[in-house]
Amino acid sequence: AQKVTQAQTEISVVEKEDVTLDCVYETRDTTYYLFWYKQPPSGELVFLIRRNSFDEQNEISGRYSWNFQKSTSSFNFTITASQVVDSAVYFCALVSMDSNYQLIWGAGTKLIIKP
Amino acid sequence: GAVVSQHPSWVICKSGTSVKIECRSLDFQATTMFWYRQFPKQSLMLMATSNEGSKATYEQGVEKDKFLINHASLTLSTLTVTSAHPEDSSFYICSARDSRGLAGGMADTQYFGPGTRLTVL
Repeated sequence: AQKVTQAQTEISVVEKEDVTLDCVYETRDTTYYLFWYKQPPSGELVFLIRRNSFDEQNEISGRYSWNFQKSTSSFNFTITASQVVDSAVYFCALVSMDSNYQLIWGAGTKLIIKP
Repeated sequence: GAVVSQHPSWVICKSGTSVKIECRSLDFQATTMFWYRQFPKQSLMLMATSNEGSKATYEQGVEKDKFLINHASLTLSTLTVTSAHPEDSSFYICSARDSRGLAGGMADTQYFGPGTRLTVL
């Protein structure tokens, strides 16, 4: 069975703090993709990153960074020096070759950045 | 690149009427599009997978006759909510799979439309 777990339902931090959103996944497939999407209050889902199962290199994009650890089946997302505009619901998702490209979604983590 | 539009962004209709929602991939061809429904404070629930030129594949519990899906071209899929009732009120989101990665450089990534908020009175 495939599953994505985002144990943090809601996180609240003060602006400029660093924050890490956790994502743990389960799959028996050896080839898969992991994703993070951002959903601001407007509702639109914004693609942030895709990582394939053969690439464990960490990724940094501006204030965003991602830590992919196959040993712990985790794909965590860190925002450095958070800003109010980062407030949103963040979803982690999994696609494997056997899932017909259907995204397996985590429950989402609501991130609140207080000014 | 990798832009998906969805129209309308919101709609209010009377119970018993039908509502059509369009999903378009603007700068890439999408052989596969997906339709989701999202309830408040919940994750996305996949309703159906829409394949160009063939019948949609519906998830368990989703009524095919209630939610009609047509994927007539490589850039357009439509969802029609037939005889809508208040319980159909929800946020509907489509996505398009960029199978070749020509738009955003990420093959097999789903890009999402802005969503349609349906309210049935």
